[in-house]
Amino acid sequence: DVKVTQSSRYLVKRTGEKVFLECVQDMDHENMFWYRQDPGLGLRLIYFSYDVKMKEKGDIPEGYSVSREKKERFSLILESASTNQTSMYLCASSPPRGRENTIYFGEGSWLTVV
Amino acid sequence: GENVEQHPSTLSVQEGDSAVIKCTYSDSASNYFPWYKQELGKRPQLIIDIRSNVGEKKDQRIAVTLNKTAKHFSLHITETQPEDSAVYFCAVFFGNEKLTFGTGTRLTIIP
Repeated sequence: DVKVTQSSRYLVKRTGEKVFLECVQDMDHENMFWYRQDPGLGLRLIYFSYDVKMKEKGDIPEGYSVSREKKERFSLILESASTNQTSMYLCASSPPRGRENTIYFGEGSWLTVV
Repeated sequence: GENVEQHPSTLSVQEGDSAVIKCTYSDSASNYFPWYKQELGKRPQLIIDIRSNVGEKKDQRIAVTLNKTAKHFSLHITETQPEDSAVYFCAVFFGNEKLTFGTGTRLTIIP
């Protein structure tokens, strides 16, 4: 069974704090993703990575950065958290499209910025 | 640009009736169309998918139909049951490695 683990399920941070959300997958997948989920807006892609040290902006990258130093780990960084970044963040991974099209999600991290 | 529209945003059906959710997309080159189900407090999980060389696919009570000419695809759930209550997302691969999702449909099954 594919396992995508997000280390923090629930976080409360103050405005201006630097926030790290960590994600680890155990299936040796090349692709990893960070989505943000908000009611009525669906899942919006923040950043994705198709290889170690590679990253591409998604649809809403402003205010976020990412790090992929190892294949199994993809971190989302909020350099200076703001209240409009209160949301649920979903990490996901997948093999390259030539092998399989399915992406696998983690359990999600609920972030509240006060 | 890459756009996926999903309707309706909420849907309530009597238990045993059918539910239909529709999505339209912008890029005719797209070739893979999955549907995800997200139960309350849980992660989205793939329930069915369809590729562009197929017009319909069924898996027990769920089916997906694809009209490539019109650029829309639909999820059909028959004989609905309480455990079908969830948020459903359609998604599209726009010719690269990333999935773009619709805005979701909250389906409520009324006992």
